[in-house]
Amino acid sequence: QKEVEQDPGPLSVPEGAIVSLNCTYSNSAFQYFMWYRQYSRKGPELLMYTYSSGNKEDGRFTAQVDKSSKYISLFIRDSQPSDSATYLCAMTERRDDKIIFGKGTRLHILP
Amino acid sequence: DAGITQSPRHKVTETGTPVTLRCHQTENHRYMYWYRQDPGHGLRLIHYSYGVKDTDKGEVSDGYSVSRSKTEDFLLTLESATSSQTSVYFCAISDLGEETQYFGPGTRLLVL
Repeated sequence: QKEVEQDPGPLSVPEGAIVSLNCTYSNSAFQYFMWYRQYSRKGPELLMYTYSSGNKEDGRFTAQVDKSSKYISLFIRDSQPSDSATYLCAMTERRDDKIIFGKGTRLHILP
Repeated sequence: DAGITQSPRHKVTETGTPVTLRCHQTENHRYMYWYRQDPGHGLRLIHYSYGVKDTDKGEVSDGYSVSRSKTEDFLLTLESATSSQTSVYFCAISDLGEETQYFGPGTRLLVL
């Protein structure tokens, strides 16, 4: 079993819909969880960061971590065509440590 | 891109030739990383540096070497490029006590 699993998609949803992106992981020592957004032909950019379990909200984006299930989610409300990108989950055990990335989910928001 | 530049941005080379990619940061961050990104594999760590002249291997280091003689520069060298090294290469940085990394714009390398 790979350390981090992420459905590659593509996921196509109509504009305005709520999007749910997910990752599962196997290492229970992970404590820091991140979501990166990567537009075509660009570098990944940090979108959301969460420590341990719980929710974090930033505008239309909500990151959720369930450590008991080893499952993390990113929700996008009122999705826009500009949200079309690849979303990578990432996690690490501690500060100054290597980050493990999911392979990314391609998301298409249809106008 | 958080004060990170990569050069060249695009390169086409032939099998067997040496290639050096450069990552330059203006953030004075301690850690620097080189990744490659390929379809179906995601981001894979090649090498990383935790300070000047301090480097270590990642999960796909064979065929690559790195050097860091200054805080701001991290060089990735393909000693003898092979077609399997055709990829998009990303540099990333992070600072002491940080959990997150910040990525550069990438270098697209094609080895013919």
